[in-house]
Amino acid sequence: QSVLTQPPSLSGAPGQRVAISCTGSSSNIGSGYDVHWYQQLPGTAPKLLIFGNNNRPSGVPDRFSGSKSGTSASLAIAGLQAEDEADYYCQSYDDSLSAWVFGGGTKLTVL
Amino acid sequence: QVQLVQSGAGVKKPGASVKVSCRASGFTFTDYYLHWVRQAPGQGLEWMGRINPNTGGTHYAQKFQGRVTMTRDTSVGTGYMELTSVTSDDTAVYYCARADSGSYVVWFAPWGQGTLVTVSP
Repeated sequence: QSVLTQPPSLSGAPGQRVAISCTGSSSNIGSGYDVHWYQQLPGTAPKLLIFGNNNRPSGVPDRFSGSKSGTSASLAIAGLQAEDEADYYCQSYDDSLSAWVFGGGTKLTVL
Repeated sequence: QVQLVQSGAGVKKPGASVKVSCRASGFTFTDYYLHWVRQAPGQGLEWMGRINPNTGGTHYAQKFQGRVTMTRDTSVGTGYMELTSVTSDDTAVYYCARADSGSYVVWFAPWGQGTLVTVSP
């Protein structure tokens, strides 16, 4: 059971927009800690996709965007492409656990 | 370029210890924190702990307290994660990842390529 809750799976057709939710609590996202997102392609290491809630590292397409409100955050992917098929993880800090925490991951399928 | 290169995969027997290395290149090793994250087969990411390569100070997840030790050798820009008394539940890919600072709001980038540790009799 992950501290941050994500939907296990999501799917969308090419060109569509999808959003992946990440729900936390008052000891992590709700305490003001930033949320970061990672993309993990099959058989590879996670790669930073969004940092500080809504910032994209150099090289990440602007089709990817992040937002945060209250105890939740969201990753949106616009103009879905076949290469976006991957697992996506949110990450934050939890002060009751004194630990960095991840969501359980969302498997995105491009139909 | 900035990268972390980890040691190769290994098989361990239950009760043994495993030590994974993570060599940094392209940046000053002692300027960044090093975190360790693992991923069991078909599962999500689990944070294990971190080390400050400058001071050697560590912070471990409660789950691994007493069983994990993170160290570093600044002369070769390498961090190490040792896990003792392994069981089949410790079969996983172990990743090292760089963090910009010691604050709580850090993100992890880049990540090492991962080291598969299989625990099997």
